[in-house]
Amino acid sequence: QVYLVESGGGLVKPGGSLRLSCAASGFSFSDYYMTWIRQAPGKGLEWISYISRNGDTIYYAGSVRGRFTVSRDNARNSLYLQMNSLRVEDTAMYYCARDEVVTAGDAFDIWGQGTMVTVSS
Amino acid sequence: DIQMTQSPSSLSASVGDSVTITCRASQSVNTRYLNWYQQKPGKAPKLLIYATGSLQSGVPSRFSGGGSGTDFTLTISSLQPDDFATYHCQQSYSHPPTFGGGTKVEIK
Repeated sequence: QVYLVESGGGLVKPGGSLRLSCAASGFSFSDYYMTWIRQAPGKGLEWISYISRNGDTIYYAGSVRGRFTVSRDNARNSLYLQMNSLRVEDTAMYYCARDEVVTAGDAFDIWGQGTMVTVSS
Repeated sequence: DIQMTQSPSSLSASVGDSVTITCRASQSVNTRYLNWYQQKPGKAPKLLIYATGSLQSGVPSRFSGGGSGTDFTLTISSLQPDDFATYHCQQSYSHPPTFGGGTKVEIK
């Protein structure tokens, strides 16, 4: 079975930091691009970051660029999102997702269950 | 950024009905890069259709997708109780990937 399991969410004050983790199992993690996507309460989905197989190519949404840093450890089958200078508007459920570039034309074919980040004073 | 606009934002339908959701892109999207997801309350989205019309493994054949250019559709023929959910379109043709606002399919 293919799984992604996020952790690390929680309540943080504006300006604070959090580090999210995403543990992968059941597939060859190093063969896949990976993505972070978030969903604010009652809102739609927002792509926020992407990292290539070996981590040499990284993209960010404008809303998080300069504040968030994505990384991966292929030896540990893990994806990370370091979130600094958090704002109230970063409050959302954060999902990691597998990016199936080859066969599914860049569709997000496997998702974790999500981890909630709440930014509030 | 390519803006994806879904319509309607919500709809009510009965079991057995056929429903069609529309997704309009602000500029042309290659059909290989248009995807649909299903999301149930409190759950992560699930890939339903990729490349406009290809069903993800395990997805029932009552789901179908079509379209080209800027206009795409998701059709559910003969709605089943398990299909009541929110559906999102998404393009990966142009960076950054963007999603539509979602269409909630509710029971009438």
